[in-house]
Amino acid sequence: EAEVAQSPRYKITEKSQAVAFWCDPISGHATLYWYRQILGQGPELLVQFQDESVVDDSQLPKDRFSAERLKGVDSTLKIQPAELGDSAMYLCASSKGSADTQYFGPGTRLTVL
Amino acid sequence: DQQVKQNSPSLSVQEGRISILNCDYTNSMFDYFLWYKKYPAEGPTFLISISSIKDKNEDGRFTVFLNKSAKHLSLHIVPSQPGDSAVYFCAASANNAGNMLTFGGGTRLMVKP
Repeated sequence: EAEVAQSPRYKITEKSQAVAFWCDPISGHATLYWYRQILGQGPELLVQFQDESVVDDSQLPKDRFSAERLKGVDSTLKIQPAELGDSAMYLCASSKGSADTQYFGPGTRLTVL
Repeated sequence: DQQVKQNSPSLSVQEGRISILNCDYTNSMFDYFLWYKKYPAEGPTFLISISSIKDKNEDGRFTVFLNKSAKHLSLHIVPSQPGDSAVYFCAASANNAGNMLTFGGGTRLMVKP
């Protein structure tokens, strides 16, 4: 069964450092999402891509977060500089189209010290 | 302002009995609802969904009920099994907002043998 791949699975960094997360969606899925899940809460959408274009990044803290999906396949989410409050699980999801079921990857757990 | 709420952070049920997980929403524009299950160190897994044109959807041991007038949905698991122990997230989307999912905070279900 095809899965969404994410790496790294765990990342520990010091505040003010830069971090980057990678996501490879299920093959053929045009829509890709990045979510942040704080412990004890549900996932919150950060950014949504349709192919290589950003559809919604209204919840992305653009002063420190950036996301790209240059060739419309895999995607990178970057935080620079990382802050203590960024400690969370970062989840990537993909769907065939914007109206289809989203499938999630295993996530990257970020700890900022 | 939480648009999707799961008021019970945890639920404990005996194996073989029914598990009922509840979810309330406030946004009347939501027209599609989903349940995801999440095991530790894994991403959420899609479980079952329901469109607002229905009031019930069933898939094996899992049934979702939707009460639009009360803005309430519930997930029934019958019979519950120890492998069902996980965190369950309710999510909602509005057709006019693409596929953007708004998640509840989750309910941790523990099924005791």
